[in-house]
Amino acid sequence: DVKVTQSSRYLVKRTGEKVFLECVQDMDHENMFWYRQDPGLGLRLIYFSYDVKMKEKGDIPEGYSVSREKKERFSLILESASTNQTSMYLCASSLEGRLQYGYTFGSGTRLTVV
Amino acid sequence: GQNIDQPTEMTATEGAIVQINCTYQTSGFNGLFWYQQHAGEAPTFLSYNVLDGLEEKGRFSSFLSRSKGYSYLLLKELQMKDSASYLCAVRRSYNTDKLIFGTGTRLQVFP
Repeated sequence: DVKVTQSSRYLVKRTGEKVFLECVQDMDHENMFWYRQDPGLGLRLIYFSYDVKMKEKGDIPEGYSVSREKKERFSLILESASTNQTSMYLCASSLEGRLQYGYTFGSGTRLTVV
Repeated sequence: GQNIDQPTEMTATEGAIVQINCTYQTSGFNGLFWYQQHAGEAPTFLSYNVLDGLEEKGRFSSFLSRSKGYSYLLLKELQMKDSASYLCAVRRSYNTDKLIFGTGTRLQVFP
């Protein structure tokens, strides 16, 4: 079964900490995405990557950066965590040219910044 | 701006039919997606429409009218396990896989 795996299901971090959220997919997908999901706001795109070392800002990139050194792994970095970054973070991937089959999402990481 | 609207909540009875609407106003359109998300779980892909008309997949159907900026997801023979949030999402351009999501519709199915 194809999978997108996020390293942590729940995470609690302190304000100001540097936080790494990891996502790994085993489907050889070119495209990978990081979204955050907040009540009443839906899913909002933070960053996406269409190839190794290639990245593009989404709609809300401020306070975040990403890294894609290998095709299967896409990391989201919170440079200095703040309480307004408390959220559910969802990683997704898609096969280039095959978006009609949709994204495959990971199970999500619920991050709390205290 | 980009706008995708869905009702926040809906309720229905087991065995019934429910229609979840989605209207969109986006700069560009190249496909509309529906996802299902059970509480605490990842969204899963349900359907994709890029041309006008109805796409049927078992108990679920999705309809698109590009001229009206409108889609709906039709769920027939509702089951308790259909209680979930349903997310509408739009792809704005053929040359990107980025999607814009609506805020989702939480459907509760009662016995």
